[in-house]
Amino acid sequence: DVKVTQSSRYLVKRTGEKVFLECVQDMDHENMFWYRQDPGLGLRLIYFSYDVKMKEKGDIPEGYSVSREKKERFSLILESASTNQTSMYLCASSFPGQSSRYFGPGTRLTVT
Amino acid sequence: GENVEQHPSTLSVQEGDSAVIKCTYSDSASNYFPWYKQELGKRPQLIIDIRSNVGEKKDQRIAVTLNKTAKHFSLHITETQPEDSAVYFCAADTGNQFYFGTGTSLTVIP
Repeated sequence: DVKVTQSSRYLVKRTGEKVFLECVQDMDHENMFWYRQDPGLGLRLIYFSYDVKMKEKGDIPEGYSVSREKKERFSLILESASTNQTSMYLCASSFPGQSSRYFGPGTRLTVT
Repeated sequence: GENVEQHPSTLSVQEGDSAVIKCTYSDSASNYFPWYKQELGKRPQLIIDIRSNVGEKKDQRIAVTLNKTAKHFSLHITETQPEDSAVYFCAADTGNQFYFGTGTSLTVIP
């Protein structure tokens, strides 16, 4: 079974803090993704990566950056957290081409 | 880009009845359509998918139908059980990008 893990299930941070969300997958997937999930808005793509050192902006990249130094690890960085970034963050991975996404358990981030 | 619309946003059914969730898409290049189930507090998990060369696919109580001409696809759950209660997401994949619907919250009333 594919395993996608995220470093924290719950996180509380203060406005202005730098926040790191880590994601690790163990299936040698080339593709990795970061989504945020908000009620009524579904899943929105923040950033994605098709290879090590490679990153592409998704639909809502503002206020976020990412890092992919190793194939299995994809990090989401909030340079200066704001209250409107309070959300559920989901990491996912997949093989290249048209294949399903495998999701991590999510990190519920609260910015106060 | 692709636009995926999902209806209804909420759905309540009696245990044993059927549930149908519909999605429409706009980009004719979309040719892979997965469905995800997300139980409360858990990760979305793939429950069934269909590719554009197939019109229907079944897996026990779950089926998906695809109408490429009309650009819509549907999830059908028969003989619903309380454990089917969850949020269901459809998605359309153009090959370049995955687009999710906004989700349907299904409640199965015992």
